[in-house]
Amino acid sequence: EAGVTQFPSHSVIEKGQTVTLRCDPISGHDNLYWYRRVMGKEIKFLLHFVKESKQDESGMPNNRFLAERTGGTYSTLKVQPAELEDSGVYFCASSPLADPIYNEQFFGPGTRLTVL
Amino acid sequence: GDSVTQMEGPVTLSEEAFLTINCTYTATGYPSLFWYVQYPGEGLQLLLKATKADDKGSNKGFEATYRKETTSFHLEKGSVQVSDSAVYFCALREGGSQGNLIFGKGTKLSVKP
Repeated sequence: EAGVTQFPSHSVIEKGQTVTLRCDPISGHDNLYWYRRVMGKEIKFLLHFVKESKQDESGMPNNRFLAERTGGTYSTLKVQPAELEDSGVYFCASSPLADPIYNEQFFGPGTRLTVL
Repeated sequence: GDSVTQMEGPVTLSEEAFLTINCTYTATGYPSLFWYVQYPGEGLQLLLKATKADDKGSNKGFEATYRKETTSFHLEKGSVQVSDSAVYFCALREGGSQGNLIFGKGTKLSVKP
């Protein structure tokens, strides 16, 4: 079974440009989470989808970030326009709805975003 | 709000040394606690977990016990190997099984032969 995949693995852009990150969750996983790790700091939650609906977007830093999950499969995270402080590693995780106790989140390898 | 504090790294050990990575948490309720590991070039993997006080999570020779009285979840291994070199993250989850994770800053471990 394929794990969570993310694309691209690295992205280097200039301040003011737009970047779109993609996450493909494990097939059948209705929960999809985005997290971000800024250099040297904690991994921080950005938002949570259940299928195509945003369940919790309390961690989104500002309105330059737009997340979508059309059709409840893959998700995209767009940053427009990118700022220097957006640099970091963006992780995606997925989990099934059916596990009421542990709900293990399976993480992708992350996308390293560098804004120059 | 809820938070996780773990010891700063990097930690460098010789093979077969004893490992402890301290983790303490602040939470309003009764969170589930986790240790995740990130090997070079890979995503985070769940290493072990505990869902209630006094539970001990264990996996691959690593252990951690949920201590409610000290709000701690320290990671230990009796004899580390070179292959244990990775970044270790302590995390908690409140708000039910669908809730998001709250992570510590991570501790980088390097094990030398």
